[in-house]
Amino acid sequence: EPEVTQTPSHQVTQMGQEVILRCVPISNHLYFYWYRQILGQKVEFLVSFYNNEISEKSEIFDDQFSVERPDGSNFTLKIRSTKLEDSAMYFCASRGGESSGSPLHFGNGTRLTVT
Amino acid sequence: KNEVEQSPQNLTAQEGEFITINCSYSVGISALHWLQQHPGGGIVSLFMLSSGKKKHGRLIATINIQEKHSSLHITASHPRDSAVYICAAFNYQLIWGAGTKLIIKP
Repeated sequence: EPEVTQTPSHQVTQMGQEVILRCVPISNHLYFYWYRQILGQKVEFLVSFYNNEISEKSEIFDDQFSVERPDGSNFTLKIRSTKLEDSAMYFCASRGGESSGSPLHFGNGTRLTVT
Repeated sequence: KNEVEQSPQNLTAQEGEFITINCSYSVGISALHWLQQHPGGGIVSLFMLSSGKKKHGRLIATINIQEKHSSLHITASHPRDSAVYICAAFNYQLIWGAGTKLIIKP
């Protein structure tokens, strides 16, 4: 069964550094999402992406964050200058269509640790 | 006020017991998701519902759109069912509940 793949599984970076989290969604999917989960807290929506542009973003998704689908297969989340509070598990998800008949598929997540 | 509320927050049961986890939401939705998060952190989608009831193995999910309420049931629970179960309401984006931590003791 096709799956969403995220790399790396764990990333450690120093405060102020840029990080890029990578996701390969399921190949025929059209809608892409990033979520994050700070340790011990609930999952939070970051951004949704469709037709090569951001369709929605949360308050968390400020100017330090950006997303890209550079080559038609990868879907990346970039954090320009990481802060300690960016430490979290980041999940990528994709779906084939927007209708209620289209389930979300999640990657296994990237654990980001900012030191 | 949280838009998606789950209860209970924590649930410990013996192997074999029938488990019910409840979810109430206050927003209009096009679908409701039940997801499972394992101790390692990975999230797996269990069900996506917009009406009625769905069953997969020992898992059953129901939704009452009028009452804005959904339940996840596990029959003949097993220690491998131990995980965090999350309800999330979907309307262009997912609004996540806080999760129910389930522990099934052998």
